Amino acid sequence: AQTVTQSQPEMSVQEAETVTLSCTYDTSESDYYLFWYKQPPSRQMILVIRQEAYKQQNATENRFSVNFQKAAKSFSLKISDSQLGDAAMYFCPTGNQFYFGTGTSLTVIP
Amino acid sequence: NAGVTQTPKFQVLKTGQSMTLQCAQDMNHEYMSWYRQDPGMGLRLIHYSVGAGITDQGEVPNGYNVSRSTTEDFPLRLLSAAPSQTSVYFCASRRAETNEKLFFGSGTQLSVL
Repeated sequence: AQTVTQSQPEMSVQEAETVTLSCTYDTSESDYYLFWYKQPPSRQMILVIRQEAYKQQNATENRFSVNFQKAAKSFSLKISDSQLGDAAMYFCPTGNQFYFGTGTSLTVIP
Repeated sequence: NAGVTQTPKFQVLKTGQSMTLQCAQDMNHEYMSWYRQDPGMGLRLIHYSVGAGITDQGEVPNGYNVSRSTTEDFPLRLLSAAPSQTSVYFCASRRAETNEKLFFGSGTQLSVL
C-alpha cells in the first residue's frame, strides 16, 4: 500500500518570496514516479512538476523545483518568486495508482 | 481535444437512490480511475482500471461499483446513495506507462440528502 503525508495543511507566502511545501511517502514499489499537482479554486487539477525516482538529479520547471531525498522518502516542492496565481491546493501523488495525500493549501499574500 | 469528460457536473440525490457518474476519455488511455475529494481528506482512490475488462479496488471502494467494457468509458455506479457519499468526484486517465501524468475531468459535485 502507498501512503503520502503532507504535514502542512496550510502555508502562506509573501508575493515574490520563496516557499517550500513538504511531502513524505511510503512505497514498496521499486520503480516509481512522483508528481506535484496544484488545484486552484476552479477545481482543475494541474501538473506542476514530475520526478523520476531513479534519477539523482532534482527536477526543475521554471520557478518550481523539487528536493528529492529517496532514502528519506521525501519529496518537497520549492516555489520561487511566488505569484498570486500560485495560490491553490497542492498535492504530491505517488505510486502506480497515484495515491494522494491530504494536500497543502497555499495562500499568497500581496 | 475533449480529454476526460465527466457528466453530470452537479447532482442531488435522495438517500437510497441509485445513479451512475459517467466518464469518457478520447485519448486512448489504458488506465482510468475514480477519486472522491472531501475537505481535509485530499483525494482518495475509489476504483481503477488498467484496461477494458479489468478493474480493481482503491482505498475507499465500498458503496461503489465500476465496469470497463470499452477503453473510452469508465462509469461509476452508486447503487444505494448515502449522505456519506456527498463529495466531489473526479475521473482521471493516463497511458499505461507509470511516468505519464494523470489527466483529470472537471469533477462532479454530488449531494446526497
